[in-house]
Amino acid sequence: GQNIDQPTEMTATEGAIVQINCTYQTSGFNGLFWYQQHAGEAPTFLSYNVLDGLEEKGRFSSFLSRSKGYSYLLLKELQMKDSASYLCAVGDNAGNMLTFGGGTRLMVKP
Amino acid sequence: ETGVTQSPTHLIKTRGQQVTLRCSSQSGHNTVSWYQQALGQGPQFIFQYYREEENGRGNFPPRFSGLQFPNYSSELNVNALELDDSALYLCASSPGQGDGYTFGSGTRLTVV
Repeated sequence: GQNIDQPTEMTATEGAIVQINCTYQTSGFNGLFWYQQHAGEAPTFLSYNVLDGLEEKGRFSSFLSRSKGYSYLLLKELQMKDSASYLCAVGDNAGNMLTFGGGTRLMVKP
Repeated sequence: ETGVTQSPTHLIKTRGQQVTLRCSSQSGHNTVSWYQQALGQGPQFIFQYYREEENGRGNFPPRFSGLQFPNYSSELNVNALELDDSALYLCASSPGQGDGYTFGSGTRLTVV
């Protein structure tokens, strides 16, 4: 079966750092994706991890541990525009589909 | 700005009706996937097409069907609409299987 868990909501302060965790149990694995989705808009690609370790891209970093079925997205120097839902998704072995978690709604406060 | 466009942006249908949603992908994107996203939830995979053939399907009944055309456009058809079909329908395309996906802004379908 496919199971991806992430917190439903998080709140953080502008300028701070926030870590959004994602755990997964899937029958196949072809990489872990993070997407950002503002209300009423398309999900936009943030990061892709297929090997263990940390991938850094500007203010955003993503970490993967395949043995633990665990990933996190780290957002630094939070800005008000970072208020959005963050979706964790696992690609299947065939590369045919993404299985998404329920999304974490992040609210950044002044 | 996304390279994937969907139409219409909003749609209201009556239970039992049929609906066709459309997606136009970026040139060269041979893979298109469709997802259903209920309010407050993550997207759920409906099916994927690669070079006009369905090559993956999620846990959706046969009344959900699709087509992909040579001009990188695609359709999602839903027959016998039910109230629970109310959701945001997202189209996502990529150059090939397993590559990164670009999502469209979606079609918000309301079934009354």
